[in-house]
Amino acid sequence: DQQVKQNSPSLSVQEGRISILNCDYTNSMFDYFLWYKKYPAEGPTFLISISSIKDKNEDGRFTVFLNKSAKHLSLHIVPSQPGDSAVYFCAASEGSSNTGKLIFGQGTTLQVKP
Amino acid sequence: GAVVSQHPSRVICKSGTSVKIECRSLDFQATTMFWYRQFPKQSLMLMATSNEGSKATYEQGVEKDKFLINHASLTLSTLTVTSAHPEDSSFYICSAREGQYNEKLFFGSGTQLSVL
Repeated sequence: DQQVKQNSPSLSVQEGRISILNCDYTNSMFDYFLWYKKYPAEGPTFLISISSIKDKNEDGRFTVFLNKSAKHLSLHIVPSQPGDSAVYFCAASEGSSNTGKLIFGQGTTLQVKP
Repeated sequence: GAVVSQHPSRVICKSGTSVKIECRSLDFQATTMFWYRQFPKQSLMLMATSNEGSKATYEQGVEKDKFLINHASLTLSTLTVTSAHPEDSSFYICSAREGQYNEKLFFGSGTQLSVL
């Protein structure tokens, strides 16, 4: 039973445009979410996070939006750059804080075309 | 950023043999390390949580006798796949957490295991 889902396996965007990566979850007890980025032959690296007490968190070109009622979060990258091409995983922290084990989605491969 | 080294990156072995995978935090002490498994086009599935000096906590459905985890120091955890079979072929990846919070979770680059 997949508690965190990324339904789009891939996304292709032109350089300079906005990239929107989506993630849905089923467990209403999740209250902290993180996005990781993974380049080939490397491990995932932390990108941005959001607590359920917020609906938006911004860090430079990256913004994560959380819609608790819809159990949906999205990662916006604007403007997209070719170096953003990677696999993006969303993850939910299980438990009542950001110290719990992570439940990952399947990942979305983003390709940013020059 | 913090570095987690995972070795080997790729291993091919015969059915019935055991394979050891190492995960080292190079520039920080990790009281907690995690081991994941990933099948193609699927998510990272947590196998076990490893705390230094204590027994690992395995997720439901993960055989502890098959996947032996040792976390003998604050910088090293090992996963041994015992008596490997073709169905154990997968991508295994470790992570190490610096402190309590998941923003400080750092991943190794993974090990592709192929069992013939």
